[in-house]
Amino acid sequence: DTGVSQDPRHKITKRGQNVTFRCDPISEHNRLYWYRQTLGQGPEFLTYFQNEAQLEKSRLLSDRFSAERPKGSFSTLEIQRTEQGDSAMYLCASSPRLSPYNEQFFGPGTRLTVL
Amino acid sequence: AQTVTQSQPEMSVQEAETVTLSCTYDTSENNYYLFWYKQPPSRQMILVIRQEAYKQQNATENRFSVNFQKAAKSFSLKISDSQLGDTAMYFCAFMKQERFRTAGNKLTFGGGTRVLVKP
Repeated sequence: DTGVSQDPRHKITKRGQNVTFRCDPISEHNRLYWYRQTLGQGPEFLTYFQNEAQLEKSRLLSDRFSAERPKGSFSTLEIQRTEQGDSAMYLCASSPRLSPYNEQFFGPGTRLTVL
Repeated sequence: AQTVTQSQPEMSVQEAETVTLSCTYDTSENNYYLFWYKQPPSRQMILVIRQEAYKQQNATENRFSVNFQKAAKSFSLKISDSQLGDTAMYFCAFMKQERFRTAGNKLTFGGGTRVLVKP
């Protein structure tokens, strides 16, 4: 399978714990996006990488959230001191370098439940 | 900032019938793209159809077509000959056309419309 992959698919944690999610984009896609989707809502943009550079962050991304993309390949999203409001599906997407409209290909998501 | 509104939380349609999903958006941009994404239950989101704002002709992809009204900022999706596999959440999304190579082209989504195709 050469699509976007995310790990883990599900994560249950207790409030106050730290969690880390991983996203592997489609090979050679230089753009990578993180979105958050709460139940019954559309995804909301969190942050964007071009290669290893984090070029845009949403105001939704509080200081408890940090994302990295070392070497411009996979990316990680860490949430520190989780809160119940962090419960959501975290989606990763990637897009190729030369697509004129930057079509984004989505992964299956990581569903986070904070107890 | 852009906003996207989908006013129909849920719609049901009989197999082989046609259903139309509505989407309106608000933007001050002149150059942008519009998309419909499909998110089947417990499966990943996939692109259904896209429309470039500078094109007057409505996009069509097999059984899926759009009615793009730029002045009205309306972008509806028509699913013809509905199939059971069309059952999913459908999201309308907006993307500003960025002029700079480092720009992110992030998507702004509507709240979604759940479509249930009944046999």
